[in-house]
Amino acid sequence: NAGVTQTPKFQVLKTGQSMTLQCAQDMNHNSMYWYRQDPGMGLRLIYYSASEGTTDKGEVPNGYNVSRLNKREFSLRLESAAPSQTSVYFCASSAQTGYGYTFGSGTRLTVV
Amino acid sequence: DQQVKQNSPSLSVQEGRISILNCDYTNSMFDYFLWYKKYPAEGPTFLISISSIKDKNEDGRFTVFLNKSAKHLSLHIVPSQPGDSAVYFCAAGLSGSNYKLTFGKGTLLTVNP
Repeated sequence: NAGVTQTPKFQVLKTGQSMTLQCAQDMNHNSMYWYRQDPGMGLRLIYYSASEGTTDKGEVPNGYNVSRLNKREFSLRLESAAPSQTSVYFCASSAQTGYGYTFGSGTRLTVV
Repeated sequence: DQQVKQNSPSLSVQEGRISILNCDYTNSMFDYFLWYKKYPAEGPTFLISISSIKDKNEDGRFTVFLNKSAKHLSLHIVPSQPGDSAVYFCAAGLSGSNYKLTFGKGTLLTVNP
């Protein structure tokens, strides 16, 4: 009964480095989402995948790419990390019922 | 342009009293609304939701009220408990938009013993 699993939980990157944040859900949900949370900014949508094989930009997509590897997994890639990408990243999934998301526990990323 | 607004960054109440958290939205097309609760170092967890066809939804100590004409919703917690201390996010969604949710900035609720 894991729900949504994110890895890693913490990461420190140097400016210009790349990395991939992993997310997997075991609830057979169709839709998956990546949000970032910054102080005073709430949760902002980066990218989402309405179903396997599709991805779309959200509110703040610049500097990120995503891959919906299969129905379970949705990864977020930073190709060249910048200090402005220091944030807490949350992955979520939804059954498209209109009753909201299940969130992972987050990845705290610091770019120095 | 912030479509979901929580204008109070923080709220402090005494244990046993009522907590009222407020949320305003600008997009009249939103047709469902949710409240999430978030503890430090954890992901947000779903608390309660309401469809735009209703004006009230209740679940135990938690009640959400929706005033569509004012584009306003509120979360009432009665009675408040110290374990309710958390950040509360209001979110709004639009059916048919791939169920994307738009979140407010959150309100930090502190319930004092």
